[in-house]
Amino acid sequence: EAGVTQSPTHLIKTRGQQATLRCSPISGHTSVYWYQQALGLGLQFLLWYDEGEERNRGNFPPRFSGRQFPNYSSELNVNALELEDSALYLCASGLWVSYNEQFFGPGTRLTVL
Amino acid sequence: TQLLEQSPQFLSIQEGENLTVYCNSSSVFSSLQWYRQEPGEGPVLLVTVVTGGEVKKLKRLTFQFGDARKDSSLHITAAQPGDTGLYLCAGYLGKAGGTSYGKLTFGQGTILTVHP
Repeated sequence: EAGVTQSPTHLIKTRGQQATLRCSPISGHTSVYWYQQALGLGLQFLLWYDEGEERNRGNFPPRFSGRQFPNYSSELNVNALELEDSALYLCASGLWVSYNEQFFGPGTRLTVL
Repeated sequence: TQLLEQSPQFLSIQEGENLTVYCNSSSVFSSLQWYRQEPGEGPVLLVTVVTGGEVKKLKRLTFQFGDARKDSSLHITAAQPGDTGLYLCAGYLGKAGGTSYGKLTFGQGTILTVHP
């Protein structure tokens, strides 16, 4: 069974540009979660999508946004990139059940110059 | 204030030694998950515990969920160099609505190095 896939693996942008990151969940999973893992800060929750709807978002500015498509894949958009947005962006998928087990993809390494 | 306190932050041991990593909170969790992450890769789910007092074993790894579902531990017996990595605990508060809905709250992680 294929796991969560993310693209691109690496992304290099300059300050002020926009970045788009993509995620395909495990087949059968309807929920997609996005996390940011910046150096020294641990994993921080960004967004949760389920059945095409945004269900919750973390404490991040509105320039972090995304969507979930009918096939449950998702994309994360980061506008007006800042240097501190450089991080590993992780996508996870799962079935929305009471214990909320989440399976992670390999991540996209975003570098903002 | 960190919701999930993980300790120790760093652990450097010799092959064959035993070790325990702790994850503590003042909050009650619906579930708690343990992950292992290699540099530059995504976390890999090791186990999910959901019942207070639950003990799960995965080969040389033993996971325990506290009776009150506020803490958990990961014990590795006879550590091997292949166990080297970042170990993360993540709790789910399970509150419908509010800021905790859907998200996992992660501990700071334990960087384990096992020397041959």
